[in-house]
Amino acid sequence: EAGVVQSPRYKIIEKKQPVAFWCNPISGHNTLYWYLQNLGQGPELLIRYENEEAVDDSQLPKDRFSAERLKGVDSTLKIQPAELGDSAVYLCASSAGLAGVGEQFFGPGTRLTVL
Amino acid sequence: KQEVTQIPAALSVPEGENLVLNCSFTDSAIYNLQWFRQDPGKGLTSLLLIQSSQREQTSGRLNASLDKSSGRSTLYIAASQPGDSATYLCAALSGAGSYQLTFGKGTKLSVIP
Repeated sequence: EAGVVQSPRYKIIEKKQPVAFWCNPISGHNTLYWYLQNLGQGPELLIRYENEEAVDDSQLPKDRFSAERLKGVDSTLKIQPAELGDSAVYLCASSAGLAGVGEQFFGPGTRLTVL
Repeated sequence: KQEVTQIPAALSVPEGENLVLNCSFTDSAIYNLQWFRQDPGKGLTSLLLIQSSQREQTSGRLNASLDKSSGRSTLYIAASQPGDSATYLCAALSGAGSYQLTFGKGTKLSVIP
């Protein structure tokens, strides 16, 4: 069974440019999460989807970040415009069931460097 | 707000030694607690998940325990191997109604051959 797939694995951009990350969850997992992980820190939740609905986006900086999960499967996280402080690893995870209580499985992450 | 602390931040042991990693959390009203492993430049691999009603879970050489009342969990690794070298993160799921996984900063383990 394939795990959580993310692309690209690495991205280098200049500040003020837009960037997008893509995630394909484990088949059958209806809950999808985007996390941000800074160096030496644990991941922090940005947004949680249950099927197509964003049920928890309280920690998503909505002035520059946006996300979508069309058809309740793949998801895209976008930053526009990117700032130097956005350099980090962006992790996608998925779980079965709803309410965010299932065991979470993580993808390899996208390492973003903003110059 | 849930806070998760992991001690020590780094640990170096000789191969073959048994070791314990510690995790503490401030809000005992957790739904479950999960231990992960993270290799450099990689994502997180789930190791063990303990439901709030359970006291421990075992997988191979790994044993995780949970004491909700004291806000503590431990990950015991038996007969450590160089391949166990990685960062180990614990995460507590809490926040009834809008569950969120709160992570510690991790313990970086080095097993010396």
